[in-house]
Amino acid sequence: EPEVTQTPSHQVTQMGQEVILRCVPISNHLYFYWYRQILGQKVEFLVSFYNNEISEKSEIFDDQFSVERPDGSNFTLKIRSTKLEDSAMYFCASSESAQGLGYGYTFGSGTRLTVV
Amino acid sequence: AQSVSQHNHHVILSEAASLELGCNYSYGGTVNLFWYVQYPGQHLQLLLKYFSGDPLVKGIKGFEAEFIKSKFSFNLRKPSVQWSDTAEYFCAVGGGYQKVTFGTGTKLQVIP
Repeated sequence: EPEVTQTPSHQVTQMGQEVILRCVPISNHLYFYWYRQILGQKVEFLVSFYNNEISEKSEIFDDQFSVERPDGSNFTLKIRSTKLEDSAMYFCASSESAQGLGYGYTFGSGTRLTVV
Repeated sequence: AQSVSQHNHHVILSEAASLELGCNYSYGGTVNLFWYVQYPGQHLQLLLKYFSGDPLVKGIKGFEAEFIKSKFSFNLRKPSVQWSDTAEYFCAVGGGYQKVTFGTGTKLQVIP
């Protein structure tokens, strides 16, 4: 079964450093998402991306965050200057175009970001 | 705006007991409903989803959920739980290609 692949699985970074989290969505999917889950809390939506632009973002997704699909296969989340409170599990997801077919919404295995 | 409520935060059951986890949602349009499971130390996995058709949806590992439109509910059920079902269960609602909104989760602990 096709998978959404995320790398790295665990990233440790110093406060103030930039991090890039990488995702390879399922190849025929058109919609891409980032979510995060702070330890012990619920999964929160960050941003959705379609047709090379952000289609929706939450209030969490401030100017420190950006997303990019640099080469048609990767989908990245960049945090410019990490803060301690950015420590969380970050999940990438992708979904297929309906076009009369069923919707598919698949999550990656996550990147655990630890800011020290 | 879409929202999801999960009423039980922590459920403890003995093996072979029956399970029902409540989920209520609010959403103004055509609704897509999901149950995800997160085993300790692992990522989110889709248990089952409802988009249309038969309101009784069967998922993996013997789980099922029933969409009751009049009650805005999508409760998760399993007739006989196992110790390996110990995990956190998240109900979620989405519309089409839009974001998925998750509930706060229910931690299920199954005692052997």
